[in-house]
Amino acid sequence: GNSVTQMEGPVTLSEEAFLTINCTYTATGYPSLFWYVQYPGEGLQLLLKATKADDKGSNKGFEATYRKETTSFHLEKGSVQVSDSAVYFCALTPQGGTYKYIFGTGTRLKVLA
Amino acid sequence: DAGVIQSPRHEVTEMGQEVTLRCKPISGHNSLFWYRQTMMRGLELLIYFNNNVPIDDSGMPEDRFSAKMPNASFSTLKIQPSEPRDSAVYFCASSLRTSGAYNEQFFGPGTRLTVL
Repeated sequence: GNSVTQMEGPVTLSEEAFLTINCTYTATGYPSLFWYVQYPGEGLQLLLKATKADDKGSNKGFEATYRKETTSFHLEKGSVQVSDSAVYFCALTPQGGTYKYIFGTGTRLKVLA
Repeated sequence: DAGVIQSPRHEVTEMGQEVTLRCKPISGHNSLFWYRQTMMRGLELLIYFNNNVPIDDSGMPEDRFSAKMPNASFSTLKIQPSEPRDSAVYFCASSLRTSGAYNEQFFGPGTRLTVL
């Protein structure tokens, strides 16, 4: 079946540090891949997405590349800020398009000033 | 745009009581979703409506849970009777489905439910 595996949190970084949050997936064919972010007290917001192999999604300084060969979609940011503190969810929708997101368990990021 | 609106934001109730959660989707969206988020199970889809019609309720955990969408601007999720294991954050999300494509889902802020 389809699944998403994220690295365990929490991840604690100092401001301006480099961020990587690992995400790998299991799915047949070519799913669409997403990163959602959840700020404290709020709902999930789409951060970026990629719909085909080798696509790079980017937004607000965050990037993730769809790697079919390693079934990965790792989230990176070159210099984190305190305001990036949140929970990050990796997700997929199976090939062919569907409303059913498969979410990872989420990774909490804490950035210290 | 106001975004997806949920009420109440927090609900504390006692076991056996009825709980009703409310959601107002983004105006113009034709798809609505209810999710439950817990530490143990993560984020789970409970039910999906399209054009006010329930399309997929396979995620509804048991008959104690019911959801309605009487019109395009309002939906409810009801738990009767509530149990402590229902304690979770419940999210409503909406999206615009166009020509068969499922577009980005916009989430509300959630309702944190505590059943004592």
